[in-house]
Amino acid sequence: DAGVIQSPRHEVTEMGQEVTLRCKPISGHNSLFWYRQTMMRGLELLIYFNNNVPIDDSGMPEDRFSAKMPNASFSTLKIQPSEPRDSAVYFCASSLAPRGAPYEQYFGPGTRLTVT
Amino acid sequence: AQSVTQLDSQVPVFEEAPVELRCNYSSSVSVYLFWYVQYPNQGLQLLLKYLSGSTLVKGINGFEAEFNKSQTSFHLRKPSVHISDTAEYFCAVSFVLEYGNKLVFGAGTILRVKS
Repeated sequence: DAGVIQSPRHEVTEMGQEVTLRCKPISGHNSLFWYRQTMMRGLELLIYFNNNVPIDDSGMPEDRFSAKMPNASFSTLKIQPSEPRDSAVYFCASSLAPRGAPYEQYFGPGTRLTVT
Repeated sequence: AQSVTQLDSQVPVFEEAPVELRCNYSSSVSVYLFWYVQYPNQGLQLLLKYLSGSTLVKGINGFEAEFNKSQTSFHLRKPSVHISDTAEYFCAVSFVLEYGNKLVFGAGTILRVKS
C-alpha cells in the first residue's frame, strides 16, 4: 500500500496567489481529514469528510479556505487568496471509520506551504 | 467538554535512560486512546492504541502506555531510550459521541534524547 499521498511536498508562493494542495487517501478508506500544523497553534483539524461528504468544517479558518472531495480517491484544499499567516505544514489523513467504531488515522507526509 | 492535555512541551533525557510522557484527558463519554510519533519533516505515525481489554498496551519501538481510567490518563513510557527516539509525540483521544467519534490531539511533547 502506498499510504496517503500528498502533493506538492513543498510550495512557495506569493501573497494573493491561489494555492491548491492535493491528497490521495489510502484505497478503501472512507474518511479523510485535513490538518494544519504550526509552531504557534500545533495540530489543528480543518475539515473532515466521510464518504466524500464534508461532515465538520468548523476548523476552516475563513472563507479563503475551501476543500473538496469529488470522489473517494482524491481531495483538494484550496486557499484563495493566500496570506503569509497561512504558512504551515498541511497534512492529509485517512481512516476506515464506521460510525461509532474506534479508528486510527493514517497521515500523509505533509505539504510545507510558505507564503511570502 | 472533551479535551486532551500533554503536560510537558519538551522532555530532555539521556540515552538509555527511562522516559515517561504524560497525557491526561477530560471526558464524560467513552474514549479510545492513541499515541502518535512525528519524526522531523515527516507525517504522524501510530505508535500504539488502547481500545479495550488490558490497560497496559505495547507498541512499536519498545514503547508502552497504561490507561488509567480513574485518573483519566494514558502516559507513554519506554525503559531505555535511543537517540533515534528523538521526535515529537502526540497523544490523541477518540471521544465516542452520539454523531460519531471525534479524534482530538494533544499539543505534543518533544522528546530530546542526548548522548
